Amino acid sequence: AQSVTQPDIHITVSEGASLELRCNYSYGATPYLFWYVQSPGQGLQLLLKYFSGDTLVQGIKGFEAEFKRSQSSFNLRKPSVHWSDAAEYFCAVKTDKLIFGTGTRLQVFP
Amino acid sequence: EPEVTQTPSHQVTQMGQEVILRCVPISNHLYFYWYRQILGQKVEFLVSFYNNEISEKSEIFDDQFSVERPDGSNFTLKIRSTKLEDSAMYFCASSEGGARGQPQHFGDGTRLSIL
Repeated sequence: AQSVTQPDIHITVSEGASLELRCNYSYGATPYLFWYVQSPGQGLQLLLKYFSGDTLVQGIKGFEAEFKRSQSSFNLRKPSVHWSDAAEYFCAVKTDKLIFGTGTRLQVFP
Repeated sequence: EPEVTQTPSHQVTQMGQEVILRCVPISNHLYFYWYRQILGQKVEFLVSFYNNEISEKSEIFDDQFSVERPDGSNFTLKIRSTKLEDSAMYFCASSEGGARGQPQHFGDGTRLSIL
């Protein structure tokens, strides 16, 4: 069965530090992968997506993610975190619907 | 940038009552979805809708739930005889196409509180 695992429930980083949020998926065919961000009280905003081509994809707000088929991973990265990046981040795999991970809550200290 | 809008932002309802959650998808999108997120849990798929009929529904989407596109712009989720466990954030989403690579665009959600 298709599934998405985000091993880190909560991550805290200092502003300006680098960030990596982990995502592992289980899917039999070529995965279509997405990262969404949810700011408090708001909906889900698409950060980036991958379904073919270059395994390093660029998204909005300076985020990028790398697809590694051998590790069944699609980790989200940002070289320098801003305080406004504090939010909940969801990784998802798409069949004909989105299957979400449990999310990682990012807290940013000044 | 066009966006999906949902109303109300917060709905408080007595257990056993019916509730209708409303969504206005992006105007040129053809595929519509409802998801829900119980507090502290993951976002879960409820139902997808295309061409005026349900394409797929999850186990959660039982006879208590129904969806409708009553006119050319609105997409509604009706929950009959609400239960305490229906308390959750409900997200509407839409996509231009149904292909797997088509991203779904989400609204800000309706927080449903059942008392």
